[in-house]
Amino acid sequence: GNSVTQMEGPVTLSEEAFLTINCTYTATGYPSLFWYVQYPGEGLQLLLKATKADDKGSNKGFEATYRKETTSFHLEKGSVQVSDSAVYFCALSDSNTNAGKSTFGDGTTLTVKP
Amino acid sequence: NAGVTQTPKFRVLKTGQSMTLLCAQDMNHEYMYWYRQDPGMGLRLIHYSVGEGTTAKGEVPDGYNVSRLKKQNFLLGLESAAPSQTSVYFCASTEGGNTDTQYFGPGTRLTVL
Repeated sequence: GNSVTQMEGPVTLSEEAFLTINCTYTATGYPSLFWYVQYPGEGLQLLLKATKADDKGSNKGFEATYRKETTSFHLEKGSVQVSDSAVYFCALSDSNTNAGKSTFGDGTTLTVKP
Repeated sequence: NAGVTQTPKFRVLKTGQSMTLLCAQDMNHEYMYWYRQDPGMGLRLIHYSVGEGTTAKGEVPDGYNVSRLKKQNFLLGLESAAPSQTSVYFCASTEGGNTDTQYFGPGTRLTVL
């Protein structure tokens, strides 16, 4: 079956540091890949997505590139802010069904200190 | 446009009690999902629906039932709650297709004593 493996957390960085959160996946077919962010006490919300190989998703300074050859979708940001503190989830959407089901990683907690 | 809403936000049950969680979306989305989130385990799919009147089992369906009588609503029922069902429950919806973003509700925190 499908699976998503994320870099284990928690991750603690100082403001303006460079962020990388690794994500690799296992899937048949051609899934779409997503990064969702969850702020305390809230539901998940889309951060960025990529729907085919070599696509780059970007939003709010975050970027991730769909690498089919390494089955990866690593999240990066050049300079994090305290407001980026949250839990980040990597996910894929199953291309083998027409139900839009997603498989999520376990989440990586990021804390940014001033 | 409220997006996805969930009722209630918090609930405490005793073992054996029953309850229904309500999810409503105003985006005219076809597909709806129920997940549970447990510490260190990401989100696990309980049940889902690809349209009004249809439901299907997800990864962890045991102990739960669902109904989708109206397109905008997706109900999750616990007939006889157990402590193992203590969790945060999220509802999500999507327009359809595997490239579509899922839109999540704010969650329901359920404790079963």
